Order: sequence, then C-alpha cells, then structure tokens
Amino acid sequence: GAVVSQHPSWVICKSGTSVKIECRSLDFQATTMFWYRQFPKQSLMLMATSNEGSKATYEQGVEKDKFLINHASLTLSTLTVTSAHPEDSSFYICSAPKTGGNTEAFFGQGTRLTVV
Amino acid sequence: AQSVTQPDIHITVSEGASLELRCNYSYGATPYLFWYVQSPGQGLQLLLKYFSGDTLVQGIKGFEAEFKRSQSSFNLRKPSVHWSDAAEYFCAVASSLFTGGFKTIFGAGTRLFVKA
Repeated sequence: GAVVSQHPSWVICKSGTSVKIECRSLDFQATTMFWYRQFPKQSLMLMATSNEGSKATYEQGVEKDKFLINHASLTLSTLTVTSAHPEDSSFYICSAPKTGGNTEAFFGQGTRLTVV
Repeated sequence: AQSVTQPDIHITVSEGASLELRCNYSYGATPYLFWYVQSPGQGLQLLLKYFSGDTLVQGIKGFEAEFKRSQSSFNLRKPSVHWSDAAEYFCAVASSLFTGGFKTIFGAGTRLFVKA
C-alpha cells in the first residue's frame, strides 16, 4: 500500500538552530502534502499545505518565515523549523494524499522535535 | 469551513465493556469521515472511513462507526474493549482536493482508558 516516510523520527537541537524534516511519498506522487503539529495531549493542528512547484499555504497563526516549506518534487516535501526555540518542541506529522486517488491521506510516522 | 467536535476529552471503560466515542462534524457537502487511533508517542493508524453508501462502517480491530446525517454524527463503537485499546482516538473530516485525495481536519481527540 501507499507509504509516507518521514525523517528523522526524532531530533534534539539547540535553541537558535534550524531543523529540517523530510516527508516522502514512497510509491505514489503527491502534488499536495500537509504538515501538522501536535503538542502533548492535544490534537493534530494543520500548519500548512505544501504544493509542488509553488508556495505553501499557511494556516492562520502559523509563521511562514519560521516554518519554511519546500515541495520541490512530486514525492518530497520538507519542513524547516528556523531558529528553533523550546516552545517549538512538538510532534510534527506530514500527510500526503495520493494525487488522482480517491482515498484517505497517508500519514508519516511523525517527528518528535525537542529544542533545548 | 469544516470542523469536528469530540465532546469527550477522556473516557474510562472496563475491559470487556462496550465503548462508544462521540463525534460531530460540520461540513456543507457530503462529508468524508475517518477515525484514527494514536498510541502514545506513535503515529496515526486509520481505523475506518466513510465515503458513501452503507452508513454503518466496519473497521479494523473490531471497531465500527455509524454515519447519521440527521445528527451530523459519526460515532465510533466497539462491543467489547480490550486493554490494548487504550489510546487516543481522533475523529476527522476531510474535503476533497481537485488533484485527488483529501485535506484532513482533526477533532480534539478522546483519550480512552481501560480498567481491569
């Protein structure tokens, strides 16, 4: 079945540094991918919609300059948390609907980011 | 805009007892509805989905859900809960993309505790 791979699964970084998270659709093309953030004991909140070959669309309240999204190919989207701070520590999950497919979106396994 | 409400933040049931988790949605058109389960620190697993047709949907692990348009509900049920069912459950609604696939919005989640 369709698989979405997210890397890394966990990362610890120092405050002020940047972290890049990759989301790959392994056996299908994804024109659109989604990035979610989940704080402990909370729901998944949609951060942004990543569009292949064009700018990402950010949800209200999400800083686009802090969370840089690049969707350079039909199988890869990246989320870069720039100048990370402890409050950015969270669980980040990507999802990719299969382009042209009438199925649910497929989710990556998530990335646990801890900023110290 | 679509939204999902899960009125119960947490529920405790005894092992072997029946379970019902509530979900109400708001969506202008025919909704695409999902239930996901998330174990602590893990990604999401799709339990079941409703696109159209039979309003009683069977899923994995013995779960089922019933779509009731008149009540805007999509409640999840299981006749006999096992200790391994303890987890966080998310109801979700999705809107279709013109490229195919879906953009998914999640409810706040319901944490299920199972007591012996």
